[in-house]
Amino acid sequence: DIQMTQSPSSLSASVGDRVTITCRASQGISNSLAWYQQKPGKAPKLLLYAASRLESGVPSRFSGSGSGTDYTLTISSLQPEDFATYYCQQYYSTPPMYTFGQGTKLEIK
Amino acid sequence: EVQLVESGGGLVQPGRSLRLSCAASGFTFDDYAMHWVRQAPGKGLEWVSGISWNSGSIGYADSVKGRFTISRDNAKNSLYLQMNSLRAEDTALYYCAKGGFLEWLQNWFDPWGQGTLVTVSS
Repeated sequence: DIQMTQSPSSLSASVGDRVTITCRASQGISNSLAWYQQKPGKAPKLLLYAASRLESGVPSRFSGSGSGTDYTLTISSLQPEDFATYYCQQYYSTPPMYTFGQGTKLEIK
Repeated sequence: EVQLVESGGGLVQPGRSLRLSCAASGFTFDDYAMHWVRQAPGKGLEWVSGISWNSGSIGYADSVKGRFTISRDNAKNSLYLQMNSLRAEDTALYYCAKGGFLEWLQNWFDPWGQGTLVTVSS
């Protein structure tokens, strides 16, 4: 199975900060990566897919990049509603065995 | 608007069975793969199972293989998860999620339902 390792596991930041979360796969996943945001008591929400494609309706302050095994989610200017837990998910493996990173909790400093 | 509404969760003893349902609306259900993803209390996300548009292709996580069965009824716009031989470690919030067009391969999940809680305890 492909293992996904996110870093950091938690992060404190202030409104207006630029924040980057990293996701590393145990093998190359050819940009087959999605990012989700989850707020307490809510279902995960898709932010990006194919590593860098923004889901419709998601603010442009969210962006994704990377290749091979290393990917990043960047929030260019944190807003109060962005404080949440973020997960990466790979969808490359064959046979399909979808795996998620362990999550990054983004908290207000 | 796409809506997914799960039901069927509850408290069940170890070794017993439970059947979850997911009612879908707002999209052409039989055009899309569907998935179950779970989240243990205070923990991360774990994919459980996926099914293609016509039930012709199905997959399971190793942790549930042989115990859980995914199915769908396109006439009823519904997805199901039959869970047998339940264990304490199956305790989680179970989400259904819409997958990709037709096949459950190489999918991301969007959107997700609100989840139904399964608690396995004596």
